[in-house]
Amino acid sequence: GAVVSQHPSRVICKSGTSVKIECRSLDFQATTMFWYRQFPKQSLMLMATSNEGSKATYEQGVEKDKFLINHASLTLSTLTVTSAHPEDSSFYICSAREASGPYEQYFGPGTRLTVT
Amino acid sequence: DAKTTQPPSMDCAEGRAANLPCNHSTISGNEYVYWYRQIHSQGPQYIIHGLKNNETNEMASLIITEDRKSSTLILPHATLRDTAVYYCIVRVSNGQNFVFGPGTRLSVLP
Repeated sequence: GAVVSQHPSRVICKSGTSVKIECRSLDFQATTMFWYRQFPKQSLMLMATSNEGSKATYEQGVEKDKFLINHASLTLSTLTVTSAHPEDSSFYICSAREASGPYEQYFGPGTRLTVT
Repeated sequence: DAKTTQPPSMDCAEGRAANLPCNHSTISGNEYVYWYRQIHSQGPQYIIHGLKNNETNEMASLIITEDRKSSTLILPHATLRDTAVYYCIVRVSNGQNFVFGPGTRLSVLP
């Protein structure tokens, strides 16, 4: 099956700093990528939908100025957590949807963010 | 909100079949039933999906009732590595995001 990678796999940053997470579709083009967040012992929650070449759509309650999403190419989307705080510590997972039929969606391995 | 209902947890003996139920009584005619699993600290892993016919692949079998209001994922010979949270999701085949419910935490016991 198609592969989606995320980098880094885990990151520790200090409170107040920004951190960027990359999501790449390795062997297919993805016009749409989704970003999820998962807190301990909870399920995945959709944060935002990014479409190549346009602005991301954020879910209710997700601050767009804090979680900056860029989807500049058909194989790369980035999520930047700005001015990170300890409550932003979470497992961030992306998924990428094929640009053409059958529009399957593939998940990345996730990025563990710890803000100290 | 998730459109499916699953038991929060289940145990299964190693080597035995694991049968994970899912209720989706409000499923629409064009919605598929997808199953994913998530092993601790990893991304979701696709298992299988189907519309109305039973499906089987190298990982599992999916049994969908005739009225499509419920389904069962079957792992024929569970191993310790099958311990994970299993998510049943209904979605149109070329739809947007997946909506994850709490899933079923399957523990395979030695």
